Amino acid sequence: EDQVTQSPEALRLQEGESSSLNCSYTVSGLRGLFWYRQDPGKGPEFLFTLYSAGEEKEKERLKATLTKKESFLHITAPKPEDSATYLCAVQARRGGGADGLTFGKGTHLIIQP
Amino acid sequence: NAGVTQTPKFQVLKTGQSMTLQCAQDMNHEYMSWYRQDPGMGLRLIHYSVGAGITDQGEVPNGYNVSRSTTEDFPLRLLSAAPSQTSVYFCASRRANEKLFFGSGTQLSVL
Repeated sequence: EDQVTQSPEALRLQEGESSSLNCSYTVSGLRGLFWYRQDPGKGPEFLFTLYSAGEEKEKERLKATLTKKESFLHITAPKPEDSATYLCAVQARRGGGADGLTFGKGTHLIIQP
Repeated sequence: NAGVTQTPKFQVLKTGQSMTLQCAQDMNHEYMSWYRQDPGMGLRLIHYSVGAGITDQGEVPNGYNVSRSTTEDFPLRLLSAAPSQTSVYFCASRRANEKLFFGSGTQLSVL
């Protein structure tokens, strides 16, 4: 069974205080690992897809990295507008039309001015 | 470009009532799916479809029906609502093996 564990559950930072969110996973053959951002009352918004260990992707103050067991979302010098819940999901490499996406419970990030 | 559109945004039902949550996408995506999101739990897949006329069950399908008569629309039907179905429902779509695009959600309360 595919599993995704995100930590911490919640994180409060001061504006400009860099940190990292963790996503540990077990999956029978990884097709892709996804990071989404979710604001209150809205649907998840796509951030990154990582496909293989060692891959890194960046977008503004966010950088996602991937190893064979976990992914990190690094937030550099965050601003209050980065406050959101960050979701991690893995897609298994399996046949048929199954979605194969397993989501973690998310990390609720608050950036205080 | 509207993306994935869900209606209604909010709904209150009484136990035993039935209703349909609507979902439409204008991106010509072959794959569409329904998730529910509950506090303290990750998004869980209810039903999905890989194309018009083809649907299948996800992780938590009991109490829900779906159909896919067109590429654009994927409605979710609650046959006889129960308090356990109180949740936020998200519709999502994508092309094969690409990222999911989510709608803005329907907050459902069953009393």
